[in-house]
Amino acid sequence: AQSVTQLGSHVSVSEGALVLLRCNYSSSVPPYLFWYVQYPNQGLQLLLKYTSAATLVKGINGFEAEFKKSETSFHLTKPSAHMSDAAEYFCAVSPTGNQFYFGTGTSLTVIP
Amino acid sequence: GAVVSQHPSWVICKSGTSVKIECRSLDFQATTMFWYRQFPKQSLMLMATSNEGSKATYEQGVEKDKFLINHASLTLSTLTVTSAHPEDSSFYICSASQAGGPGELFFGEGSRLTVL
Repeated sequence: AQSVTQLGSHVSVSEGALVLLRCNYSSSVPPYLFWYVQYPNQGLQLLLKYTSAATLVKGINGFEAEFKKSETSFHLTKPSAHMSDAAEYFCAVSPTGNQFYFGTGTSLTVIP
Repeated sequence: GAVVSQHPSWVICKSGTSVKIECRSLDFQATTMFWYRQFPKQSLMLMATSNEGSKATYEQGVEKDKFLINHASLTLSTLTVTSAHPEDSSFYICSASQAGGPGELFFGEGSRLTVL
């Protein structure tokens, strides 16, 4: 069975500090992995995706994530947080590209 | 990137009425569309998966007679909440995937339904 676990439903960082949002997955096959961001009252926007190419994936707004098969992880990072990064972040796994499973989300707060 | 548009973005209705929400892929053909429901500060709950020209596949616990999904064309899927009640108030989000993969979901802006 496929599942996605996001550790920490709420993460607070100071402006300019490192952002680290954790995502672990379980999948019976090498999956596609995604990070999405959601701003209040809006749909989800793709930040980045892993599709079995480079294990370090760079996305929009300075975010990147590293696929670590041995750890079954796909953590999202950004070197320096900006106030505009405050949002809800969702990790998702898709084993075949047709079904998507979402984590419970992590709410990021950026403290000025 | 591909664009998915939802309409209306916010609808208020009286209890007992039906509401239709449209989801359109504007610049690509969406072979599969997904409908999600999201409660405040929670993750997305998949309601159903629809493929063009066939009946939607509903997730366990979702009433198919309550939430009617139609995917009549490769660019349009509709969700109709029939005989809406206050407990149906929620944020509904659709997403679509392009034919050929590798499987990226493009999300609509979401539709907030408030049932009085």
